[in-house]
Amino acid sequence: GENVEQHPSTLSVQEGDSAVIKCTYSDSASNYFPWYKQELGKGPQLIIDIRSNVGEKKDQRIAVTLNKTAKHFSLHITETQPEDSAVYFCASSLYNTDKLIFGTGTRLQVFP
Amino acid sequence: DTGVSQDPRHKITKRGQNVTFRCDPISEHNRLYWYRQTLGQGPEFLTYFQNEAQLEKSRLLSDRFSAERPKGSFSTLEIQRTEQGDSAMYLCAAKGPGNEQFFGPGTRLTVL
Repeated sequence: GENVEQHPSTLSVQEGDSAVIKCTYSDSASNYFPWYKQELGKGPQLIIDIRSNVGEKKDQRIAVTLNKTAKHFSLHITETQPEDSAVYFCASSLYNTDKLIFGTGTRLQVFP
Repeated sequence: DTGVSQDPRHKITKRGQNVTFRCDPISEHNRLYWYRQTLGQGPEFLTYFQNEAQLEKSRLLSDRFSAERPKGSFSTLEIQRTEQGDSAMYLCAAKGPGNEQFFGPGTRLTVL
């Protein structure tokens, strides 16, 4: 079945530095790739998403890139701030199904 | 605010008891999803509804679990004869105008 691998599991950066989280999916039919931020005790919050017909998408300090050939997609956060500290999840879904398959998460810590 | 509310936010129960959780999306969300999230993991798909019809169920949804969406608005998830392994965060999500899924705050279940 569909599987999503996510790396690294933890990431510590200094405030102002960039952070990159990478995911790999297994099913080439996957066509939608969202990223979620989850803070302690809260539900996942959608921060950015990308569809398979687009290679890159940017929203202020965050960007997502997709390499369909390699079945890789990545989240890039620039100019990190302490409030970016949270657990980040990548996910994928297959065309004609809606269920999201999540990665195992990356705990990002941004030190002031 | 994602427009998805869940009740209760926390539930502690004894093994063998039945529990029921409720999810309320805003009215124009015709697709509603349930996921389960255990500590340190990403959410795992359980089931989803298109209006009142339950369209897909995961193998994770044993016969002790039942979900309903009687009028195509709110949904309930019931777990009968709870086991310690049922302890998790139960998340409800609603589909936006594209492929986006917006999550509620979750119900954290602890089975003693």
